[in-house]
Amino acid sequence: KAGVTQTPRYLIKTRGQQVTLSCSPISGHRSVSWYQQTPGQGLQFLFEYFSETQRNKGNFPGRFSGRQFSNSRSEMNVSTLELGDSALYLCASSLLLQNTEAFFGQGTRLTVV
Amino acid sequence: DAKTTQPTSMDCAEGRAANLPCNHSTISGNEYVYWYRQIHSQGPQYIIHGLKNNETNEMASLIITEDRKSSTLILPHATLRDTAVYYCIVRVLQGAQKLVFGQGTRLTINP
Repeated sequence: KAGVTQTPRYLIKTRGQQVTLSCSPISGHRSVSWYQQTPGQGLQFLFEYFSETQRNKGNFPGRFSGRQFSNSRSEMNVSTLELGDSALYLCASSLLLQNTEAFFGQGTRLTVV
Repeated sequence: DAKTTQPTSMDCAEGRAANLPCNHSTISGNEYVYWYRQIHSQGPQYIIHGLKNNETNEMASLIITEDRKSSTLILPHATLRDTAVYYCIVRVLQGAQKLVFGQGTRLTINP
């Protein structure tokens, strides 16, 4: 079956703009989590959605938001982009909220200039 | 979630067993030990998890000490494709999916 699909794979934005990233989980998976990966901070948890509800949120400013649709697809949005938002954004899906294994997508590489 | 301590980097010869240690001295009774790895430019990949018994799957073996304060991931016959950053994570099974990644161990398999 198809894995986790993230689009776009690469993105270049200007400071002050906003961006929306998309994640399609594995078919049947209902839990979607987002992570930010930077060289300095490593992999950091952003938020998690299950059945269209945000279940957990990491320590990121309110400029970072997300949502999940009824088909489990998820989007994350970053408003008023800053240079420090340049990172690899990873999405992970799981069958259930309480599950043992998370499947990660290839990520979206965001560059803010 | 409990914190983990891993060596920053390790080397292993191709075909040999790679043994990656992880310390988690503050682990709680209901926390599991998970291992993920991240090959360059890819998303992390689940390897294995366990509570207190040793576990084995097609990818690796997980050895957890009796006091559960440390564990070792074993790749029995390392190949060049096993070169990656390996993350040891402890978390409860029940609850949110949040994974707290440390800096991991950069494992290099040498030919």
